[in-house]
Amino acid sequence: KQEVTQIPAALSVPEGENLVLNCSFTDSAIYNLQWFRQDPGKGLTSLLLIQSSQREQTSGRLNASLDKSSGRSTLYIAASQPGDSATYLCAVKANNAGNNRKLIWGLGTSLAVNP
Amino acid sequence: GAVVSQHPSRVICKSGTSVKIECRSLDFQATTMFWYRQFPKQSLMLMATSNEGSKATYEQGVEKDKFLINHASLTLSTLTVTSAHPEDSSFYICSARGGGQESPLHFGNGTRLTVT
Repeated sequence: KQEVTQIPAALSVPEGENLVLNCSFTDSAIYNLQWFRQDPGKGLTSLLLIQSSQREQTSGRLNASLDKSSGRSTLYIAASQPGDSATYLCAVKANNAGNNRKLIWGLGTSLAVNP
Repeated sequence: GAVVSQHPSRVICKSGTSVKIECRSLDFQATTMFWYRQFPKQSLMLMATSNEGSKATYEQGVEKDKFLINHASLTLSTLTVTSAHPEDSSFYICSARGGGQESPLHFGNGTRLTVT
């Protein structure tokens, strides 16, 4: 059974720091992995999607890596800003057969960037 | 970018009444929509998956007669919580996908349901 773990559960950093959020999964047979951002009381915003054949994806100050063999993904945020404060969720899409492969979610990392 | 509109954002209802939540894809056709429930400090729990024009597929433990899902068009899915009880109070989020399995999910802003 696929399980997704995110460490740390919470992180508080001063503005300007580069930081890394970690996501680990127990079954390496994944279809893809996606990082989301959730602001308090809001829905989710998709940040980066990495297909199983890819090693990393970049968007602006964000870089996500994927190492299937070790069951890990990292989200790197460069030059953090107070506006980056949110909960970051990692979700792994299972590689089961069928048209609706399920997403398995981590519990998220709550990030606070202090000015 | 793809936009998913969810309405209402907040609703308070009395126990025993029904509440309908709408999820619309504004600038793309959503072949598949998903409904999630989220408890405080918990991650998302998938309730059901709906494909346009067909019956929704419910996850184990989710009562289909209590959580009615209709995906009548490629841009609209609705979730109706019937005979709501206080334990149904939660944050409900919809998401939509415009393409195949490799396509990213786009989420609505969620609905905070409080049943008194």
